[in-house]
Amino acid sequence: LAKTTQPISMDSYEGQEVNITCSHNNIATNDYITWYQQFPSQGPRFIIQGYKTKVTNEVASLFIPADRKSSTLSLPRVSLSDTAVYYCLVGPPMNTGFQKLVFGTGTRLLVSP
Amino acid sequence: DTEVTQTPKHLVMGMTNKKSLKCEQHMGHRAMYWYKQKAKKPPELMFVYSYEKLSINESVPSRFSPECPNSSLLNLHLHALQPEDSALYLCASSQVVRVSPEYFGPGTRLTVL
Repeated sequence: LAKTTQPISMDSYEGQEVNITCSHNNIATNDYITWYQQFPSQGPRFIIQGYKTKVTNEVASLFIPADRKSSTLSLPRVSLSDTAVYYCLVGPPMNTGFQKLVFGTGTRLLVSP
Repeated sequence: DTEVTQTPKHLVMGMTNKKSLKCEQHMGHRAMYWYKQKAKKPPELMFVYSYEKLSINESVPSRFSPECPNSSLLNLHLHALQPEDSALYLCASSQVVRVSPEYFGPGTRLTVL
């Protein structure tokens, strides 16, 4: 599976747009990019998934450049409740072998008033 | 009903105890997962069940024994655990086996004394 690299932490203020980038230089042709949000002592929550260009839902947008070697999760107008750890995960939509399924180290986002 | 439930929420056990963690989903998903998460670390995959059969075992010690009695239920039997096994144990499910499961449960916080 593609190894991912994310910033360890980011700080923001309420109402700002936050962009978290994930690097995945060895992404494979059939790999998708998935982002999760996790609050302390809770399970991760699926935010968004994409393959190329741009995906948008009610929570976030995911931007993927043409070479797909990186991706950016964009959170519009963050609030205090967006303070969490955000994980980027890259891999094929179906696991068909003994591949090690690994979450990256995650990015701790702190939103201040 | 789009959720994964886990019981108990908290569990404290001694090293000689035998206990079980339970996970349930009623979304018709045929893939279920156990993850282990230590403090400030990403989740680590332990086991994957696909159509009630063990599909992936990530070299987990035998003191952890998974069981999938039916398509809605996943258990993790614990025996002779060590203090270093204290962690948040997360269950997840998806329609079919994926690198990125769609739904995670809230987790069971396990403390081994």
